[in-house]
Amino acid sequence: AQKITQTQPGMFVQEKEAVTLDCTYDTSDPSYGLFWYKQPSSGEMIFLIYQGSYDQQNATEGRYSLNFQKARKSANLVISASQLGDSAMYFCAMDSPTGTDKLIFGTGTRLQVFP
Amino acid sequence: DVKVTQSSRYLVKRTGEKVFLECVQDMDHENMFWYRQDPGLGLRLIYFSYDVKMKEKGDIPEGYSVSREKKERFSLILESASTNQTSMYLCASGRGGSTDTQYFGPGTRLTVL
Repeated sequence: AQKITQTQPGMFVQEKEAVTLDCTYDTSDPSYGLFWYKQPSSGEMIFLIYQGSYDQQNATEGRYSLNFQKARKSANLVISASQLGDSAMYFCAMDSPTGTDKLIFGTGTRLQVFP
Repeated sequence: DVKVTQSSRYLVKRTGEKVFLECVQDMDHENMFWYRQDPGLGLRLIYFSYDVKMKEKGDIPEGYSVSREKKERFSLILESASTNQTSMYLCASGRGGSTDTQYFGPGTRLTVL
């Protein structure tokens, strides 16, 4: 069965520093997609970045990059130059192998950025 | 921009009440989803729909039903609310396709007393 694991319940980082949020996954399907979402205290889920299993390069979106290590089944999110507004919950997710577009989520990591 | 709206941000109901949570999207997406979010458990899929009048069970459908009479609207129904259904409920929509993300509404925090 597919599974997403986020082992860091909480992380702290100082403003302007980089931080890595860990995500490992388990699937037997050769084709899959990995997503990261941000959830501020207001509650809405904001899509950050996507990585396909066949993508040759790591995905990047502005200050967000995805460190994709396929052999290790990890898809860590790297946030560079942290800002106070980055304080939020972060969820890693994977799409279902059956092409149903369902997402399976990890339990999340709460990131707190301090001045 | 895609917009997904949910009828209420906060809702308080009593045990045994019938509860309707409404979700509307304005981007003509085929797929719509209902999740519940609980601390330490992440998001879990309750039901989803690929088209009007179509619905499929997710991972935790017990105690819930859904309705999709129009493409833009996907309703979650708690036939007889119970205290263990106190949670944050998130609706999402998407075009479908392997690279397409889901777009989420702001969530409804439901408390069942």
